[in-house]
Amino acid sequence: AQTIHQWPVAEIKAVGSPLSLGCTIKGKSSPNLYWYWQATGGTLQQLFYSITVGQVESVVQLNLSASRPKDDQFILSTEKLLLSHSGFYLCAWSSGTENTEVFFGKGSRLTVV
Amino acid sequence: GDSVTQTEGLVTLTKGLPVMLNCTYQTTYSPFLFWYVQHLNEAPKLLLKSSTDNKRTEHQGFYATLHKSSSSFHLQKSSVQLSDSALYFCALSVQGTGSKLSFGKGAKLTVSP
Repeated sequence: AQTIHQWPVAEIKAVGSPLSLGCTIKGKSSPNLYWYWQATGGTLQQLFYSITVGQVESVVQLNLSASRPKDDQFILSTEKLLLSHSGFYLCAWSSGTENTEVFFGKGSRLTVV
Repeated sequence: GDSVTQTEGLVTLTKGLPVMLNCTYQTTYSPFLFWYVQHLNEAPKLLLKSSTDNKRTEHQGFYATLHKSSSSFHLQKSSVQLSDSALYFCALSVQGTGSKLSFGKGAKLTVSP
């Protein structure tokens, strides 16, 4: 069975500090990978997606970057956090087949103070 | 561009009553529609999906029918339970976007005793 693990579960960070969030997918080779952002009680905004190692496409510009250093790993980062970065970050995966179900990780809650 | 509209932000019902959450979409391509449910502090999970016109799909007592003529995929349940309290998102995927999901704003369903 496939599993998706996100880290950290939660973080409180200062404005201007760097950030790194990660996720690892086990049990699935060459998945499509996604980063989503969700304000508290809000909708899900796709930030990045990747269909292969080393290739990441940006969907929205939020002063964030993403990388896929390994087939099963997806990293979200920034060098300088803004207050607006606060929220719930969800990593997700799907198979390479289009229009299939997207599976979400349990998320990382970020509070920027 | 592709978009999803959910009109109910907050829905409050008494246990045992029926519910319908509206979802309409816009796309010029062949659509795949999804309903995701997100319980408090959890990741979104797939509830229903469909790409077949006029065919009812069901899961866990919830059901929806994709109507391409009206661009709709409304979610219904005949008798809500306390455990149905959650955020419900309608999502759209279209061919050629690598499972990029466009989410609606979500509907928060609260079921009271």
